Amino acid sequence: AQSVTQLDSHVSVSEGTPVLLRCNYSSSYSPSLFWYVQHPNKGLQLLLKYTSAATLVKGINGFEAEFKKSETSFHLTKPSAHMSDAAEYFCVVSERTGTASKLTFGTGTRLQVTL
Amino acid sequence: DAMVIQNPRYQVTQFGKPVTLSCSQTLNHNVMYWYQQKSSQAPKLLFHYYDKDFNNEADTPDNFQSRRPNTSFCFLDIRSPGLGDAAMYLCATSRLGGYEQYFGPGTRLTVT
Repeated sequence: AQSVTQLDSHVSVSEGTPVLLRCNYSSSYSPSLFWYVQHPNKGLQLLLKYTSAATLVKGINGFEAEFKKSETSFHLTKPSAHMSDAAEYFCVVSERTGTASKLTFGTGTRLQVTL
Repeated sequence: DAMVIQNPRYQVTQFGKPVTLSCSQTLNHNVMYWYQQKSSQAPKLLFHYYDKDFNNEADTPDNFQSRRPNTSFCFLDIRSPGLGDAAMYLCATSRLGGYEQYFGPGTRLTVT
């Protein structure tokens, strides 16, 4: 079975400083990994995805993530935080189950951005 | 733009009064999913449709039902809402055999 662990439930950064949200995964085969962002009372928006191509994945809004197989990690980074980045972030691993996909979510990391 | 649409965005219902939430998509995806998300938790899958083929998760209560009259639309029916059913309900879609799911904006359900 696949699983995802988000190591921090809450991260606080100052505007303009780097963001690091940590995620470790467990999978018996090459995983498909995603980061989703959720702003208050909104749906989930896909930030970026890794599906066994380049290990450094660039997403929207300046976010990127690096897949490290040796460390079983898929950490999300951004060089400079913006106030609008304040939201909940979910690391997700996906597996195919016949015709559908099954998403396994991490517990989420709430990012707070202060002035 | 192709998208997943949910209506209404906010729904208030009374304890025990049936309620229906709606989802539509213009992505022409074969698979549609319903998730329940309670406050400060990750989304929890309730069920999904592959075309007209319904797949229920083992721990989804019987109180939750779904209909998919055509490719574009999918409905979530809660037959007798309890206070514990207050949550955000998210609809998502995926291509046949795809890993990625595309989410709608969600419906926030309040039970009074």
